[in-house]
Amino acid sequence: ETGVTQTPRHLVMGMTNKKSLKCEQHLGHNAMYWYKQSAKKPLELMFVYSLEERVENNSVPSRFSPECPNSSHLFLHLHTLQPEDSALYLCASSHVENSPLHFGNGTRLTVT
Amino acid sequence: KQEVTQIPAALSVPEGENLVLNCSFTDSAIYNLQWFRQDPGKGLTSLLLIQSSQREQTSGRLNASLDKSSGRSTLYIAASQPGDSATYLCAISNFGNEKLTFGTGTRLTIIP
Repeated sequence: ETGVTQTPRHLVMGMTNKKSLKCEQHLGHNAMYWYKQSAKKPLELMFVYSLEERVENNSVPSRFSPECPNSSHLFLHLHTLQPEDSALYLCASSHVENSPLHFGNGTRLTVT
Repeated sequence: KQEVTQIPAALSVPEGENLVLNCSFTDSAIYNLQWFRQDPGKGLTSLLLIQSSQREQTSGRLNASLDKSSGRSTLYIAASQPGDSATYLCAISNFGNEKLTFGTGTRLTIIP
């Protein structure tokens, strides 16, 4: 049990589909993050929410849309994705202050 | 722009040996440095966090050091075990957790 839960674990979607990834944390953290992990590339930060306000949008295409309804939940809404968007999408949480990140087990996304 | 390098990309070591993993970075004005491990198909697990004012941190058989002047950190694993097999990633923060830069990791295999 990592304290950060992501669903679904695996997702296959066509380029015209709309789907959402969900992340939930029960650690009392006040910052949440979306990362993309592709083969042989460093983790790429996509979005950061601190105290429920988005503070970082790292030049992510608009086909990815985050939502943070409260400090415990984070969503990533997906629409009209491309095959190169296939990757492991990781959610993480932390205290805003100087503290380690806690990651979920990720959603393995395949775009066909 | 911060760049983080981890060499080698892969390492195999017989069980019981002590080993050192390396992480180098280009911008020494760091906020903190974090070491993670990632098991296949899973998320990242935080191992150690070294704040900018610290030189090292220890947890059990793990010891991480930080030398900002040379732009290097090392993760020392004592008395390695097969369960230590994983990919180890270091991440540098230049301004809080909102600006973490990850290396591509070292895949460690402990041979029984």
